[in-house]
Amino acid sequence: DADVTQTPRNRITKTGKRIMLECSQTKGHDRMYWYRQDPGLGLRLIYYSFDVKDINKGEISDGYSVSRQAQAKFSLSLESAIPNQTALYFCATSEGVGQPQHFGDGTRLSIL
Amino acid sequence: QKEVEQDPGPLSVPEGAIVSLNCTYSNSAFQYFMWYRQYSRKGPELLMYTYSSGNKEDGRFTAQVDKSSKYISLFIRDSQPSDSATYLCAPTFNDYKLSFGAGTTVTVRA
Repeated sequence: DADVTQTPRNRITKTGKRIMLECSQTKGHDRMYWYRQDPGLGLRLIYYSFDVKDINKGEISDGYSVSRQAQAKFSLSLESAIPNQTALYFCATSEGVGQPQHFGDGTRLSIL
Repeated sequence: QKEVEQDPGPLSVPEGAIVSLNCTYSNSAFQYFMWYRQYSRKGPELLMYTYSSGNKEDGRFTAQVDKSSKYISLFIRDSQPSDSATYLCAPTFNDYKLSFGAGTTVTVRA
């Protein structure tokens, strides 16, 4: 089983819908992250969390919200989806200071 | 200007060739330097992780960091078809706000 699991893997939805992307991890890491990847732009940080009570905005948080339900679970919500939120979304985890990030296999989200 | 610029590629090389990948960055506070490899329809996986300037070798892979010129390189020796992927540089001044390059797609022809 994967250490960082994202669900769903693919999602197509319509403008204005509320969407939740979920991430769970079995690595026991405190830190979790959400990124989006767009062609030519690389990965950009949306939100990050150091523990259940510590959630921080990243580079591009507008239009997104997150919830850290437990150490192992971190979900990303789009309250009212718009087409320019069509992208690949990745969840990542890390152990702590100086440690690298480990990524899930992503959710491909298309908003029509 | 982007904080991290990466040669966009794509690169196509014959099996056994040396692959050279490069990034430049503008933030002089960056002190951790990572390279990730991303296969199609998969998440990025950590390939190399270095701290400050210098070289680091791991098997067929060598990472170089020159902080004075803000230049990062990754070399792949004896390239294999299994090395065909997108390579992302990711320098950072801390360990949680990575600044990713856009990625270079490499194809190694058998």
